[in-house]
Amino acid sequence: DGGITQSPKYLFRKEGQNVTLSCEQNLNHDAMYWYRQDPGQGLRLIYYSQIVNDFQKGDIAEGYSVSREKKESFPLTVTSAQKNPTAFYLCASRKMPGLAGGEQFFGPGTRLTVL
Amino acid sequence: AQTVTQSQPEMSVQEAETVTLSCTYDTSENNYYLFWYKQPPSRQMILVIRQEAYKQQNATENRFSVNFQKAAKSFSLKISDSQLGDTAMYFCAFMGNSGNTGKLIFGQGTTLQVKP
Repeated sequence: DGGITQSPKYLFRKEGQNVTLSCEQNLNHDAMYWYRQDPGQGLRLIYYSQIVNDFQKGDIAEGYSVSREKKESFPLTVTSAQKNPTAFYLCASRKMPGLAGGEQFFGPGTRLTVL
Repeated sequence: AQTVTQSQPEMSVQEAETVTLSCTYDTSENNYYLFWYKQPPSRQMILVIRQEAYKQQNATENRFSVNFQKAAKSFSLKISDSQLGDTAMYFCAFMGNSGNTGKLIFGQGTTLQVKP
């Protein structure tokens, strides 16, 4: 089955540690996105990538980093510089960035809690 | 900058009845796309319906339909014959056409509870 997988489902981090959230897709989508979801604030874009080895900052990129070495993978690192990292993180992908209006497909998410 | 506003944090409806969720947005673009996503308790985001701004006809998907008012920048979702499985948080989202980045701007969400 084609889809997007995120791991782990739950992640606990001590203050001062960096953690990496995994996102993999086998949909052959070109574009991938990371969103953060907080209660009452909807989803906010952290980073996105439209092609391998290239990515752009979203609205709340501070304290986060990404890489896109393979088309299928777009891992997100939450660094110690992120002041309030406890949240639900969603990864999404989209077919053909040139196809305007194509919807994004979402993974099941990772819940990150800072202890 | 584009913004999306959902003014109803919570709503409830009786099973089999109809409910309408509101969404307004702000943009200076003429061509864009609007979406409604559903997030059930599992937290998996599921696309419900999409609307292309240059199409005047309102989109429909089975029991789900939209009322798209471009001049008023309004994009409401109507759910007919509500079912218990419709209980979820619903997000309205905007995708501009500029740059073809595919970025989505989300509203704050509306939590819908369908009561038996």
